[in-house]
Amino acid sequence: DAGVTQSPTHLIKTRGQQVTLRCSPISGHKSVSWYQQVLGQGPQFIFQYYEKEERGRGNFPDRFSARQFPNYSSELNVNALLLGDSALYLCASSFTPTGGYEQYFGPGTRLTVT
Amino acid sequence: KNEVEQSPQNLTAQEGEFITINCSYSVGISALHWLQQHPGGGIVSLFMLSSGKKKHGRLIATINIQEKHSSLHITASHPRDSAVYICAVSPTGNQFYFGTGTSLTVIP
Repeated sequence: DAGVTQSPTHLIKTRGQQVTLRCSPISGHKSVSWYQQVLGQGPQFIFQYYEKEERGRGNFPDRFSARQFPNYSSELNVNALLLGDSALYLCASSFTPTGGYEQYFGPGTRLTVT
Repeated sequence: KNEVEQSPQNLTAQEGEFITINCSYSVGISALHWLQQHPGGGIVSLFMLSSGKKKHGRLIATINIQEKHSSLHITASHPRDSAVYICAVSPTGNQFYFGTGTSLTVIP
């Protein structure tokens, strides 16, 4: 069975542009979470979605948005990119959003903003 | 203030040594996770625990809920164990709090 997949693997954008990152969860998993990991730091929680509804949001500006589709895949959108948005964006899926279930992480999308 | 603190930040060990990485947290949790991240970014979940102790191969994770503390032990360390080890806690499941990670280098 395939693990969590993310696309693209790497992405280079310029300041002010918009970007869309994609995540497909493990089959059967209905919860998807997004994290931002700046170089040298631990991941920071951005969003959690479950059954197409937002269940949690971290301390990120409104330039960051996400959605989950009926097949439980998810997209993360970032508008008006800033240099500080350069990071590894990780997606993780779990069966449910409760803390008692393991999260499985994708390989990440490395975004570079120039 | 970070909800999750890890120590040490960096650790260098000789092959075969016993390694301990510590994690302290300040919030009530439903579960604590130990993650491994190799260069390039991929994260692998090593353990999820809410009480007691778990063992997988040479890795052992313990948690003390009352003291809000967890440890990850690696016995007979090997160069392939070199990675960043991250502690994460989930208070409600809607949000994870991550430590900044412990960078482990095991020298042959």
